[in-house]
Amino acid sequence: EDKVVQSPLSLVVHEGDTVTLNCSYEVTNFRSLLWYKQEKKAPTFLFMLTSSGIEKKSGRLSSILDKKELFSILNITATQTGDSAVYLCAVMEYGNKLVFGAGTILRVKS
Amino acid sequence: NAGVTQTPKFQVLKTGQSMTLQCAQDMNHNSMYWYRQDPGMGLRLIYYSASEGTTDKGEVPNGYNVSRLNKREFSLRLESAAPSQTSVYFCASSPGQPYSYNEQFFGPGTRLTVL
Repeated sequence: EDKVVQSPLSLVVHEGDTVTLNCSYEVTNFRSLLWYKQEKKAPTFLFMLTSSGIEKKSGRLSSILDKKELFSILNITATQTGDSAVYLCAVMEYGNKLVFGAGTILRVKS
Repeated sequence: NAGVTQTPKFQVLKTGQSMTLQCAQDMNHNSMYWYRQDPGMGLRLIYYSASEGTTDKGEVPNGYNVSRLNKREFSLRLESAAPSQTSVYFCASSPGQPYSYNEQFFGPGTRLTVL
């Protein structure tokens, strides 16, 4: 059975801290790995990773994929209260279907 | 350009009642999806439509039916609602084939409670 496991389940940090969120997967027909941020409502897209070892970066957020060890990390540097959200990892299978992890709840305290 | 829209935003049903959740996208996407999100479980795929005229089951299809009405619209129907269907429902769309990059864009969700 395909599965995506995220850790930690929840995390509380102070503003300015750096956090690392983890995502491991066992998916038969892997195409890509995606990260989403979910605040009160709809998940919003952050990154899509298809190749190992190539870092994707957007401002204070960055992510990298290891297809040999079957995991990805999402780093957030200099965290702000606006980074508080649920971060979802999902793996895209052939057919463009997404298998989601349960998410990591991040709370950034001021 | 509204992206993905869903109606209603909230709904309360009694066990055994039926209802249809509506979803529409204005991005000319080929593929559309329905997910449900329950606490601690992430999003799970109910049904999807890779292109207009096709629909397929996802991970948790039991108790649901779908209709891809046209390229823009994809509806989800609960024929006889059960308390286990209490959840937040998200619709999503993506470019689909033949495009290579297929991140999914999500609607705002429908919060459904079945009593």
